[in-house]
Amino acid sequence: AQSVTQLDSHVSVSEGTPVLLRCNYSSSYSPSLFWYVQHPNKGLQLLLKYTSAATLVKGINGFEAEFKKSETSFHLTKPSAHMSDAAEYFCVVISSSNTGKLIFGQGTTLQVKP
Amino acid sequence: EPEVTQTPSHQVTQMGQEVILRCVPISNHLYFYWYRQILGQKVEFLVSFYNNEISEKSEIFDDQFSVERPDGSNFTLKIRSTKLEDSAMYFCASNAQGGLIGELFFGEGSRLTVL
Repeated sequence: AQSVTQLDSHVSVSEGTPVLLRCNYSSSYSPSLFWYVQHPNKGLQLLLKYTSAATLVKGINGFEAEFKKSETSFHLTKPSAHMSDAAEYFCVVISSSNTGKLIFGQGTTLQVKP
Repeated sequence: EPEVTQTPSHQVTQMGQEVILRCVPISNHLYFYWYRQILGQKVEFLVSFYNNEISEKSEIFDDQFSVERPDGSNFTLKIRSTKLEDSAMYFCASNAQGGLIGELFFGEGSRLTVL
């Protein structure tokens, strides 16, 4: 069965410094992986997705993620944090059931300090 | 930009009451979903719906829950007799492709509070 594990429940960075949110996945086949962001009192917005094309995926708002099969990781990065990046971030994998069902990680809260 | 819309944004109900949460998916999408997020916990899958029938449901989605698409546009989640533990944010989502690569578009959620 597919699963994702987000290694940090809370990450705090200063504005202008790099962001790293860690995610490991477990899958019996090459998975489709996503990062979603949830700002306070808002819905879930897709940041980026990996679907077995390029292993380095670029998303919105300057975020990117690299799929590393050898490490079963899909970490999310951004070179320079902005105050507006403060939100909850979810690493997500598609289930093998072929219904489009998503399996979410526990989430990482990103705090950005001025 | 097309979006998934949900109503109500917040509903407070008494335990044992019936609740209907409504969603209008993106118009050309064919696959529909409900997820929920209990406060402080991760987002959990409830049910997927395609071609007017449930394609998959989780263990959470017991006989107290039902979904339907009554008029070809709205997609509803009904909870027949709410329990305290049903208090959560409920998200509707839709996508055009389903399967293993489809991107889900989420609504902003309906917060349900059961007293």
